[in-house]
Amino acid sequence: LAKTTQPISMDSYEGQEVNITCSHNNIATNDYITWYQQFPSQGPRFIIQGYKTKVTNEVASLFIPADRKSSTLSLPRVSLSDTAVYYCLVGAFGGYNKLIFGAGTRLAVHP
Amino acid sequence: DGGITQSPKYLFRKEGQNVTLSCEQNLNHDAMYWYRQDPGQGLRLIYYSQIVNDFQKGDIAEGYSVSREKKESFPLTVTSAQKNPTAFYLCASKIQGQSNQPQHFGDGTRLSIL
Repeated sequence: LAKTTQPISMDSYEGQEVNITCSHNNIATNDYITWYQQFPSQGPRFIIQGYKTKVTNEVASLFIPADRKSSTLSLPRVSLSDTAVYYCLVGAFGGYNKLIFGAGTRLAVHP
Repeated sequence: DGGITQSPKYLFRKEGQNVTLSCEQNLNHDAMYWYRQDPGQGLRLIYYSQIVNDFQKGDIAEGYSVSREKKESFPLTVTSAQKNPTAFYLCASKIQGQSNQPQHFGDGTRLSIL
């Protein structure tokens, strides 16, 4: 199971773009990269998922280089409500889908 | 609305007491999971179930038990054998066997010791 490494914390200001990079050197061929957002006392919420290249949805973009050993979650024009913990996970979603959650990245957005 | 409902939101346990946390989903998902989260930490897998009447231990199953008698329900019992049960407990579910389908989480139960 591939482990991930991401910054413990980041600070930003309202209206800025935030990029959180995650390293996953041992990613397997059939692994997907998934990002979750978690607010205090709530369950993690799915943000975005990708396998290679770039994925974009209404909330974020996910950039994955050709070697897939890292990925970058991009949050455009953050607001105070984006203050949360962001988790990068790597795993195959077939089977029972065991996910490994690290400590995540605590993003603080300031006025 | 489809989703995962965990209850209660807050729960207190006395010494030597077993307590049961409820998790119900109406997403028609086959697989269900229980995680434990300690302050400032990520989630750790306690138990998971891929199908009714079947479940497997996760990484930290000692002191916990589960049942899966119905597809939509996966209750977790924290037994008196779990010596450090104070934590935030999260239930999740997903469509089984399909690639690129993520887990969906409930909003958790916070368990504390009296």
